[in-house]
Amino acid sequence: QKEVEQNSGPLSVPEGAIASLNCTYSDRGSQSFFWYRQYSGKSPELIMSIYSNGDKEDGRFTAQLNKASQYVSLLIRDSQPSDSATYLCAVGPSGGSNYKLTFGKGTLLTVNP
Amino acid sequence: NAGVTQTPKFQVLKTGQSMTLQCAQDMNHNSMYWYRQDPGMGLRLIYYSASEGTTDKGEVPNGYNVSRLNKREFSLRLESAAPSQTSVYFCASSGRRGGSTDTQYFGPGTRLTVL
Repeated sequence: QKEVEQNSGPLSVPEGAIASLNCTYSDRGSQSFFWYRQYSGKSPELIMSIYSNGDKEDGRFTAQLNKASQYVSLLIRDSQPSDSATYLCAVGPSGGSNYKLTFGKGTLLTVNP
Repeated sequence: NAGVTQTPKFQVLKTGQSMTLQCAQDMNHNSMYWYRQDPGMGLRLIYYSASEGTTDKGEVPNGYNVSRLNKREFSLRLESAAPSQTSVYFCASSGRRGGSTDTQYFGPGTRLTVL
């Protein structure tokens, strides 16, 4: 069974610091990786997707992927109180036409003013 | 574009009652999904529809049925609700608009309580 593991947190960082969120996955053949942000009482919203080894930057967010280590991370620079949310890691299938994602249980991030 | 819409937003049922949760997307996506989210359990896939006319079971299908009415709409039915089905239900869709075929976009959710 495919698994996606995240530290549940809470991860607490001061405003302006770098928040580092980590995720490991079990299916070595996975091809696509996603980070979603979910505010309390709201639905998940896509922050980043990454498909190739290395870093992908979008504003204050950087996703890092290492397929050999089966590890994906999200860095949030200059963290703001508005970044306080649960961050969900999701991993796509290893092939075929099956588009199911496997989600981790999420890491709760708190940014303290 | 509204994206993914869900109705109702909130619902309270008594044990044994039935109801249908509605989901629609206007992004011309082929694939649609139903998840439930419970504290400490994360998002769990109930059913999905890879394309119009097909449906498949996910991780937790027992007690649910689905209908892919057309390309836009995917409904989830609880035939005889149980307290264990108290949860937040999210519908999602994926397709080629704005990204890869497997990027999923979520609706606002339905908060269901079964007494």
